[in-house]
Amino acid sequence: ETGVTQSPTHLIKTRGQQVTLRCSSQSGHNTVSWYQQALGQGPQFIFQYYREEENGRGNFPPRFSGLQFPNYSSELNVNALELDDSALYLCASSLGLAGQSYNEQFFGPGTRLTVL
Amino acid sequence: AQRVTQPEKLLSVFKGAPVELKCNYSYSGSPELFWYVQYSRQRLQLLLRHISRESIKGFTADLNKGETSFHLKKPFAQEEDSAMYYCALRDTGNQFYFGTGTSLTVIP
Repeated sequence: ETGVTQSPTHLIKTRGQQVTLRCSSQSGHNTVSWYQQALGQGPQFIFQYYREEENGRGNFPPRFSGLQFPNYSSELNVNALELDDSALYLCASSLGLAGQSYNEQFFGPGTRLTVL
Repeated sequence: AQRVTQPEKLLSVFKGAPVELKCNYSYSGSPELFWYVQYSRQRLQLLLRHISRESIKGFTADLNKGETSFHLKKPFAQEEDSAMYYCALRDTGNQFYFGTGTSLTVIP
């Protein structure tokens, strides 16, 4: 059984560019959540995908978008990058069941994005 | 609105001393509360959740709805407890709110 993996590890972009971050969920998991963690802050919930559908969204603008694929891996896309988007981006996977309460989420190591 | 507050960014205790990491929350419904831990060079991981009402690695946390608190406690701190601790709340819309974290250092 493999854990949650994320790629790339680090990324440097300039303002206005677009970025795609990738996450492979843990084997058997069908739910992926994405978080943004700025320096010195706790993780902030961006959105969650359950069986390829968005299943909850935090207070992030539409230029933050995502996808979940049939194998339950996921992408986070950010358009028109701003300096404040510099952060560690975490994904977490879990085995979600519609209507059920929380199942433990397992975090990936994160992608460090720097916007210059 | 800030849903989860951890008032202490840094906390140092001596080995064997009791430790309490504070967490207060604001939420109108019935919250689910969690403690997550991140050891040095490791991933963020779940430590415990209030629904389970269990002790993990000697840590316990009781949900106090009157005081809207979910403080994490351990009677005797160990050096291996040194880590970053995050309190988190999950709302009915599946959204998680994390506090800013408390860095715990246990002094030998």
